[in-house]
Amino acid sequence: DQQVKQNSPSLSVQEGRISILNCDYTNSMFDYFLWYKKYPAEGPTFLISISSIKDKNEDGRFTVFLNKSAKHLSLHIVPSQPGDSAVYFCAASARDRDDKIIFGKGTRLHILP
Amino acid sequence: DTGVSQDPRHKITKRGQNVTFRCDPISEHNRLYWYRQTLGQGPEFLTYFQNEAQLEKSRLLSDRFSAERPKGSFSTLEIQRTEQGDSAMYLCASSLSRSLTTDTQYFGPGTRLTVL
Repeated sequence: DQQVKQNSPSLSVQEGRISILNCDYTNSMFDYFLWYKKYPAEGPTFLISISSIKDKNEDGRFTVFLNKSAKHLSLHIVPSQPGDSAVYFCAASARDRDDKIIFGKGTRLHILP
Repeated sequence: DTGVSQDPRHKITKRGQNVTFRCDPISEHNRLYWYRQTLGQGPEFLTYFQNEAQLEKSRLLSDRFSAERPKGSFSTLEIQRTEQGDSAMYLCASSLSRSLTTDTQYFGPGTRLTVL
């Protein structure tokens, strides 16, 4: 039972355009959501997070949107840069579950020149 | 201190052998987590520690797996009698747990285990 779903295994975006990565979740107890970026042979690197009391969080080129009623979140990267090419993991946790993170399967983002 | 470190980065072993991995968390972090990642999947939770106490273990953690965090600092993950299905990337993460907020976990580079 996949509690965090990333339905697009891969995404290709032209350099300079907006990249939009989507994520759906099923567990309504999740109250904290994160995006991690992963390069080959490295551990996941924290990118941005959002608490369930917010619907948007922005950090430079990265913005995460949360739609609790739809149990959906998205990560926007604008403008996309070549160094953004990586696997992006959507993740969620719940305070009453000791912050154990549940990850999606990831979306591989390719930034095209 | 630059982040979470793990040792070794790669381990190749023969089926049936025992292996041990080490994780050094960010120094002031009181929580330490172990995850496992296989090809095409996201990291999956294995176990976690609050200081030296192991508070939860996933059903993925069979009896052949044991983890310790004896002084509340570094942690070790041991796999006994390794099987080919244990081949994966083993990731360690740490966080500073505070009472009113959810804290971000920071990951190490992982240990890639290959069981022949």
